[in-house]
Amino acid sequence: DTEVTQTPKHLVMGMTNKKSLKCEQHMGHRAMYWYKQKAKKPPELMFVYSYEKLSINESVPSRFSPECPNSSLLNLHLHALQPEDSALYLCASSQDGNGYTFGSGTRLTVV
Amino acid sequence: EDQVTQSPEALRLQEGESSSLNCSYTVSGLRGLFWYRQDPGKGPEFLFTLYSAGEEKEKERLKATLTKKESFLHITAPKPEDSATYLCSARVTGGGNKLTFGTGTQLKVEL
Repeated sequence: DTEVTQTPKHLVMGMTNKKSLKCEQHMGHRAMYWYKQKAKKPPELMFVYSYEKLSINESVPSRFSPECPNSSLLNLHLHALQPEDSALYLCASSQDGNGYTFGSGTRLTVV
Repeated sequence: EDQVTQSPEALRLQEGESSSLNCSYTVSGLRGLFWYRQDPGKGPEFLFTLYSAGEEKEKERLKATLTKKESFLHITAPKPEDSATYLCSARVTGGGNKLTFGTGTQLKVEL
C-alpha cells in the first residue's frame, strides 16, 4: 500500500460545528503532516507528528487540534471555524524526510 | 529566512514545445529539493527528489536538475495531459521534516 487516505473528501460545516478530518497510511512512515492550501497558493504546514511527537506551526489558531492515535493514523479536530478557514486540507507522510506522500485532500467549506 | 521562488508563475505551451521551469532557492542548508505535480483539487503527486548539485533525474518527458542555487524541471515534447501546477519545495538543515514550498508554476499545454 503506497497511499495516504483522507476522509471525507468534502466537508461543509457551520461555524458552531465540531468535525474531524481523518488520515491513514500503511507505508510504515513515522512522520505525518497536516497542510492547509488555499486556491492558487502553495501548501502551508500546520502540524507535524514525527515518531508520534507533535511539532506545531505557532501561527495556527487553536480551533485546529491535531491528534495522532498511532503511527498510521492522524486526525484533525475542527471547532468553531471561520469562513476564512475554508481550504483544501492535505495530509502527508514521510520516512526520514524522503519521498513525502500526500493524500488527495479534504475540501472544507465553512458557512 | 529560507526562501523558494518559482518562475514563471504561468506557462502556456503548444503540444511538443519543450521548455523549462525554474526553482531558485535561498536556504541555510539544503537537505533535499522536491518536485511535485498538482492537479486542481487534488493533493500534490511526488515527482523527484534531488540532493546535491549536478544531480539529475528523469521520468518520461520530465527531467529535473539541480545546481547550488536553483533547480530546473525540463519538459520535453509536452502533451496536454502534462497540464498541471508544478511545485518545488526544499527541506533545510534545522527545519526538521518541514518542506518550504515555492508558489508553483501553472502549466497549460494546448493542442
